[in-house]
Amino acid sequence: DAGVIQSPRHEVTEMGQEVTLRCKPISGHDYLFWYRQTMMRGLELLIYFNNNVPIDDSGMPEDRFSAKMPNASFSTLKIQPSEPRDSAVYFCASRQGNEQFFGPGTRLTVL
Amino acid sequence: GEDVEQSLFLSVREGDSSVINCTYTDSSSTYLYWYKQEPGAGLQLLTYIFSNMDMKQDQRLTVLLNKKDKHLSLRIADTQTGDSAIYFCAEEGSSASKIIFGSGTRLSIRP
Repeated sequence: DAGVIQSPRHEVTEMGQEVTLRCKPISGHDYLFWYRQTMMRGLELLIYFNNNVPIDDSGMPEDRFSAKMPNASFSTLKIQPSEPRDSAVYFCASRQGNEQFFGPGTRLTVL
Repeated sequence: GEDVEQSLFLSVREGDSSVINCTYTDSSSTYLYWYKQEPGAGLQLLTYIFSNMDMKQDQRLTVLLNKKDKHLSLRIADTQTGDSAIYFCAEEGSSASKIIFGSGTRLSIRP
């Protein structure tokens, strides 16, 4: 298996633009997580899904953030409109049983 | 609530042993984890320990668990420059569906 796949790896956009981050979990994993990592706040859990259903979105910072998982092999995290303070590395992770694996992350820069 | 605490920095001499410590709050955690994050990369699952174990050894890595004190440690024997990274301690949350991460310990190796 190729592991968790995220795209794009880097995204630079201007304030106010819509940003969509994509994730393909490991096949067969029933949990999918979105995290954000910054120097100031460390690693934050934004939202997670179980069998494509959102379970806990209490970490989503604002209504500007939304996440979907239309099927077991794909999820998106959307920010609309984006702001400079959204600049961070966004990680997707998937889990089966007690082992959770992370993707390589998307480094987002909002100018 | 659920919380995982670890020191932010550790510096060791090449060839010495590194010991990274962590405390957690949820006594019902079934699994406790150590993840490694190298610069520009995602978090990599290093090892984990089941809560009914006191120790787990895997090559140069030794995990010690003290359930009474809710203390977890990771010992890296014969530390090498390639071990430079941020090490995250994590516990399985009470819901058993999400993992709670500490803030990470940045390990630096000096010659």
